[in-house]
Amino acid sequence: RKEVEQDPGPFNVPEGATVAFNCTYSNSASQSFFWYRQDCRKEPKLLMSVYSSGNEDGRFTAQLNRASQYISLLIRDSKLSDSATYLCVVKGDTGGFKTIFGAGTRLFVKA
Amino acid sequence: NAGVMQNPRHLVRRRGQEARLRCSPMKGHSHVYWYRQLPEEGLKFMVYLQKENIIDESGMPKERFSAEFPKEGPSILRIQQVVRGDSAAYFCASSPQGAPAKNIQYFGAGTRLSVL
Repeated sequence: RKEVEQDPGPFNVPEGATVAFNCTYSNSASQSFFWYRQDCRKEPKLLMSVYSSGNEDGRFTAQLNRASQYISLLIRDSKLSDSATYLCVVKGDTGGFKTIFGAGTRLFVKA
Repeated sequence: NAGVMQNPRHLVRRRGQEARLRCSPMKGHSHVYWYRQLPEEGLKFMVYLQKENIIDESGMPKERFSAEFPKEGPSILRIQQVVRGDSAAYFCASSPQGAPAKNIQYFGAGTRLSVL
C-alpha cells in the first residue's frame, strides 16, 4: 500500500462545476497535511494547509478525518485557471520531518 | 524577498558525467529538502538537510548521489556518473526553523536534468 494515495484522474469538469478530490494516508502518526497544486512543468505551490476542524479559503474547502486517515479537497465554482494537478501532502512522523507527496490528481476545467 | 532559487534550470549531461544542482533557500530559512520527479510521476523525497548537517537521507539512492548544505553558500545535490535513468526534474524546497512537522515548504522552480 502506498503511503499516500490519490485518485489520479483525470477529472474533466465544466466551468462552474464542483469537484472533490480524496486522499488517504497510511501512517497514523502523521502530523501535518497540505494540498499543493502543480501546473505543467512548474514547481508545486501551496494551496492550503488542512486542519482537523476543516478549513476554507474562498472556493476551496479542505477536510481531515484522522480516524479514517482521509483528506479531501473541494473546489466550488471551478475556473479554467483551476486546471492543474493537485497534490496531497502528508508530513511528519515521530521524526517530524518526513514529507510524502501523493502522485497527484489531474484536473481539467473546460469552458 | 527572493524565493527559493535553483540553478541551472536546465542541465544536459552525457552518460558518465557529473551533475551539480544548486539551491539557495529563501532568506531566513535553514531547512532544505530535495525531491525528484520523474515524468508523469509524483515527487519523491530524497534528502533533508540543515546547515552543515544531513538530517534524513532515506530517499537518496545508495550510490552516486550526495548532498550537502555548507555553512556558507547554497545546498548542492551532486550526481556522479549520471545514467539515462537520472533524467528527471529535481526540486528543492526550504522551510524556516521551527517545528519541522508543521513548517510549510516553499519550492524552487526546479532543475531539469537530461542525460544523453
